[in-house]
Amino acid sequence: GAGVSQTPSNKVTEKGKYVELRCDPISGHTALYWYRQSLGQGPEFLIYFQGTGAADDSGLPNDRFFAVRPEGSVSTLKIQRTERGDSAVYLCASSFEPGLNTEAFFGQGTRLTVV
Amino acid sequence: GQQVMQIPQYQHVQEGEDFTTYCNSSTTLSNIQWYKQRPGGHPVFLIQLVKSGEVKKQKRLTFQFGEAKKNSSLHITATQTTDVGTYFCAGPVRSNYQLIWGAGTKLIIKP
Repeated sequence: GAGVSQTPSNKVTEKGKYVELRCDPISGHTALYWYRQSLGQGPEFLIYFQGTGAADDSGLPNDRFFAVRPEGSVSTLKIQRTERGDSAVYLCASSFEPGLNTEAFFGQGTRLTVV
Repeated sequence: GQQVMQIPQYQHVQEGEDFTTYCNSSTTLSNIQWYKQRPGGHPVFLIQLVKSGEVKKQKRLTFQFGEAKKNSSLHITATQTTDVGTYFCAGPVRSNYQLIWGAGTKLIIKP
């Protein structure tokens, strides 16, 4: 596709349920990032993939959060036993390669609401 | 831990007035990036500054990186309605891919 695609765009779930958020990066981009953005705040780093492997998952808030990228392209962020505090916009970004002088392109985000 | 602080939180200007947002880090940064997020939209990369004292211009936008590489600013000359949005600075923590973001400065054009 032309840009980073995230689905669904909106997700409302009940407290305690399991959710999966999908990110389809720009074709050929090896680096993929997940961020979480709360209202009035900047994005908060969650996890970074280089290819298929999670190079840095230190931003995941706890073990209810997990992300995969099995074929080095599409990534799924999985949240177990959702809590109301998980409500936020989850942003995915990709870049051709990580590091300096590499622009990251963001998707439109998935707005997660836990009720 | 490392923090990136951004002020002001909001700035209301008349169309045609200038706008400035300031970014300060608690530690020296190897580089700093600036993004713009329109209302309801996603962050869009504007620029990356790498060198101490660097100044870069994009039309009406001027970006500066401080000599100590701990602060940065974005100045917009003669704002237009298309400039409306929130401007974020972001700097790397431990590596160039784990960015810490400021809280953003929201540019609001007075009616």
